[in-house]
Amino acid sequence: AQKITQTQPGMFVQEKEAVTLDCTYDTSDQSYGLFWYKQPSSGEMIFLIYQGSYDEQNATEGRYSLNFQKARKSANLVISASQLGDSAMYFCAIGGGSYIPTFGRGTSLIVHP
Amino acid sequence: GAGVSQSPSNKVTEKGKDVELRCDPISGHTALYWYRQSLGQGLEFLIYFQGNSAPDKSGLPSDRFSAERTGGSVSTLTIQRTQQEDSAVYLCASSLEGGLLYYGYTFGSGTRLTVV
Repeated sequence: AQKITQTQPGMFVQEKEAVTLDCTYDTSDQSYGLFWYKQPSSGEMIFLIYQGSYDEQNATEGRYSLNFQKARKSANLVISASQLGDSAMYFCAIGGGSYIPTFGRGTSLIVHP
Repeated sequence: GAGVSQSPSNKVTEKGKDVELRCDPISGHTALYWYRQSLGQGLEFLIYFQGNSAPDKSGLPSDRFSAERTGGSVSTLTIQRTQQEDSAVYLCASSLEGGLLYYGYTFGSGTRLTVV
């Protein structure tokens, strides 16, 4: 069984500052992948970043980076230089041997000007 | 197509009626997933199709829910005798193959179902 925990229901950040969204996971799979998705108010789920369990380097995609700490089973998303358009719900997810990705409850991020 | 297409985008139905929601995945994607997202909640897994294999229906909340996938492409989620608690956004996602995690999952824009 897989589980994702996102403990921050809401986060606030000032424009141009960095913000970290927390995600911890649990899985019995040896090989798995961690994902972050963004869901703006329009509702679509936008893929942001992927980290494989065997990847030694932290994944980065533009202003997004994934702080992967395997021993602690954490996969935090770091957004650098926040923009107003980053205001959205953010979901952490895990995929693995069961082939069915499991999502967390999400974190609402609000970026203030 | 270029993305995952879902229709209708919005559906209002009366309690007790049946509804059908459609998902057209990305061409070539063999894996297809249905999720339900209630207001302010996370994504609840419903059903998973992989190629011609028997679907994983372990997430369907009741026998009022069913889904099929024809020709390994388009999928239809059917909810019979709808109840007010069925009101939610129904999201469909597809991926290149269920086990190829690197390619991720592409979501459609969802169908917002309101049962009145």
